[in-house]
Amino acid sequence: GAGVSQSPSNKVTEKGKDVELRCDPISGHTALYWYRQSLGQGLEFLIYFQGNSAPDKSGLPSDRFSAERTGGSVSTLTIQRTQQEDSAVYLCASSLANPGADTQYFGPGTRLTVL
Amino acid sequence: SQQGEEDPQALSIQEGENATMNCSYKTSINNLQWYRQNSGRGLVHLILIRSNEREKHSGRLRVTLDTSKKSSSLLITASRAADTASYFCATGNAGNMLTFGGGTRLMVKP
Repeated sequence: GAGVSQSPSNKVTEKGKDVELRCDPISGHTALYWYRQSLGQGLEFLIYFQGNSAPDKSGLPSDRFSAERTGGSVSTLTIQRTQQEDSAVYLCASSLANPGADTQYFGPGTRLTVL
Repeated sequence: SQQGEEDPQALSIQEGENATMNCSYKTSINNLQWYRQNSGRGLVHLILIRSNEREKHSGRLRVTLDTSKKSSSLLITASRAADTASYFCATGNAGNMLTFGGGTRLMVKP
């Protein structure tokens, strides 16, 4: 079946603008995750959705970052008033259910460049 | 600091040689997973080893886990140029997030 998809693949924006990044998880996966990866670095956890439960937002770096997941499927990560330090690859992943035990399947990522 | 830390940070070998990457972690785990990333894009899951397992194989990959030393190793045998990528370990506990290390950048020269 189809894997995790993300759009856009690349986004260039000006400092101060808002951006929306989209993630379509694998059908049937109840868990969805957003990560951020700066150039040459490891993955930084941002936010986690599990079914209809309240999301784990513990990784969001500031209140400019928010995410929602509609109908338990598609998720949108929104960054308001973007800053240059927000430039990174934003990766989405999904898994069957258990975040610490199940394999996570990653999308190709969105490369965000803030000028 | 990160739960999982890979060593070395970068590794360059010739095609045909074996590549060994290590991962150390700090707290108890349920499982440890290895992922591969090409060109800074999406990660691909390679192998998962549970805390009660000591060794696992998948094709040219061999993973070991030593819970007493809180360490794991990933061995790629008979490497190919196409194995050039970054490799990440991630530690997991049921109900908690996977925690990723900083990765090892492997270059296999043809």
